[in-house]
Amino acid sequence: SQQGEEDPQALSIQEGENATMNCSYKTSINNLQWYRQNSGRGLVHLILIRSNEREKHSGRLRVTLDTSKKSSSLLITASRAADTASYFCATRNQAGTALIFGKGTTLSVSS
Amino acid sequence: NAGVTQTPKFQVLKTGQSMTLQCAQDMNHEYMSWYRQDPGMGLRLIHYSVGAGITDQGEVPNGYNVSRSTTEDFPLRLLSAAPSQTSVYFCASAEPPQYEQYFGPGTRLTVT
Repeated sequence: SQQGEEDPQALSIQEGENATMNCSYKTSINNLQWYRQNSGRGLVHLILIRSNEREKHSGRLRVTLDTSKKSSSLLITASRAADTASYFCATRNQAGTALIFGKGTTLSVSS
Repeated sequence: NAGVTQTPKFQVLKTGQSMTLQCAQDMNHEYMSWYRQDPGMGLRLIHYSVGAGITDQGEVPNGYNVSRSTTEDFPLRLLSAAPSQTSVYFCASAEPPQYEQYFGPGTRLTVT
């Protein structure tokens, strides 16, 4: 079964607005990663947060991690049309050898 | 560096045919994996390898075989294609300890 589950499944916003996506997972993790996928393309790694970190920033991206609630959120500030994509969270399995993805959030940013 | 490459980009098979999807990486990563992506299902792990000569099953391994004779290559074999294997297949590589994955561009497979 999939380890991570993103919420919402789809999100539509206007350019300039912030977009927040959430990820919940089931078991203990070593780290949690977020990826972006543009339509018809492979996934691109965005940001990684370790289990002992609570917040991490990268440009317009902000990721938080709450291990007590087994959840993470990805915030994209000042969204642009180019941010239109699907976003996935991924966690390592318990053995630490496989990365398991959620079903993703589809973000649509209109100008 | 080319990163992760996959061939072919598109493939149509008839039910019962076999084929091999190729994946190669030039980053000297120990870890490689195969995923399939279906609408509404996200990415599901098929097989993975933590190094040459070592492979293991993921979430949906049935109907697929893999081998890892070199660090660079990780081919995925469909033994007897079925319509349920119609999907987009992605290969990825990563390096411990964090396993940030680098993905190939994907192979779109249709089985009729």
